[in-house]
Amino acid sequence: DGGITQSPKYLFRKEGQNVTLSCEQNLNHDAMYWYRQDPGQGLRLIYYSQIVNDFQKGDIAEGYSVSREKKESFPLTVTSAQKNPTAFYLCASSPQGGLSTDTQYFGPGTRLTVL
Amino acid sequence: RKEVEQDPGPFNVPEGATVAFNCTYSNSASQSFFWYRQDCRKEPKLLMSVYSSGNEDGRFTAQLNRASQYISLLIRDSKLSDSATYLCVVIGFMDTGRRALTFGSGTRLQVQP
Repeated sequence: DGGITQSPKYLFRKEGQNVTLSCEQNLNHDAMYWYRQDPGQGLRLIYYSQIVNDFQKGDIAEGYSVSREKKESFPLTVTSAQKNPTAFYLCASSPQGGLSTDTQYFGPGTRLTVL
Repeated sequence: RKEVEQDPGPFNVPEGATVAFNCTYSNSASQSFFWYRQDCRKEPKLLMSVYSSGNEDGRFTAQLNRASQYISLLIRDSKLSDSATYLCVVIGFMDTGRRALTFGSGTRLQVQP
């Protein structure tokens, strides 16, 4: 089945540790995105990538890093520099890049908790 | 003022009721508009696009009012399964010229038997 997968579903991290969230898609989409959602708030864009080997900062990129070495994969690393990392992280993809009018398809999300 | 604002609710309605949500946006140059549905602790899923002429999909009707800068979602004959949070999404240009996709914080709907 075509879709977007994220792993793990739940992740616990100790303060000071870096963690990497996985996002894979087999939809052959060019663009991929990472969002963060906090309780009672909308989604905020962390990073996005329009094409392989290229990515751009979103609105809240500080404390995060990404890579896009393959079209189907867009992992997000939450570094120890991120002051409030506990949140629901959502990965999305769309057929074209550039935050166009394309519909975005979301993965099931990873819930990160810092202990 | 937030770029995209929604009444957080919750809207508590009985089954069979008609309910409407609005979403206001601040950037008059915004180009595209969508409604997403998000179930508790799940990912958002596209519900429908919003066009100036309005569009209807079964019990759901979406409208865009550019003059007053808001979009609306009308749900007729509410079902228990409609209980969810409804997010509006606005796509436009930032001052830097970059396209930006902005999510509202969502309106929670609870349909009661």
